[in-house]
Amino acid sequence: ETGVTQSPTHLIKTRGQQVTLRCSSQSGHNTVSWYQQALGQGPQFIFQYYREEENGRGNFPPRFSGLQFPNYSSELNVNALELDDSALYLCASSFNTDTQYFGPGTRLTVL
Amino acid sequence: QKEVEQDPGPLSVPEGAIVSLNCTYSNSAFQYFMWYRQYSRKGPELLMYTYSSGNKEDGRFTAQVDKSSKYISLFIRDSQPSDSATYLCAMSEEDSSYKLIFGSGTRLLVRP
Repeated sequence: ETGVTQSPTHLIKTRGQQVTLRCSSQSGHNTVSWYQQALGQGPQFIFQYYREEENGRGNFPPRFSGLQFPNYSSELNVNALELDDSALYLCASSFNTDTQYFGPGTRLTVL
Repeated sequence: QKEVEQDPGPLSVPEGAIVSLNCTYSNSAFQYFMWYRQYSRKGPELLMYTYSSGNKEDGRFTAQVDKSSKYISLFIRDSQPSDSATYLCAMSEEDSSYKLIFGSGTRLLVRP
């Protein structure tokens, strides 16, 4: 059984640029959630995708957007990057709203 | 005030000690309670999952939920150096169980 994978591992961008992060869900899972984890903080919920539709959203601005594909993999897009967007971005997959299993994360640095 | 409060530590204990990690919360609608372990530069790994109040045991780990006090605990028996990590509590409501609310994490160091 393959776990949750994320790419890339690390990414460096400059302020104002756009970034796309990718996530492959665990086998048998149909739901993907994205979280932002700033240094020294717990993860914060960005949004969740269930069967290719956004199922819920946290307190993040519209420049954070996402997609889920028919194979249940997902993308997180962030436009107009700000310095405060520097963080570890975590993807978690689950079957419906069951227990969420996290990937290793993508570390984004915005300069 | 944050919805979930967790002492950041660090908590330093000798190998073999019993470790107690705690979180308090303010939202009485929380029904699902989880503990995750996160090693440096890795994603969180689920350790324990509890619904509503009560105790749950899995090997060296015991999770307790006291909803009347809005207080949850994780106990680790016979702690090992490999237990050194950050421990995150997480909670969610019945109607939005997909939205996990995390504490800021407690860093644990188990000394050999």
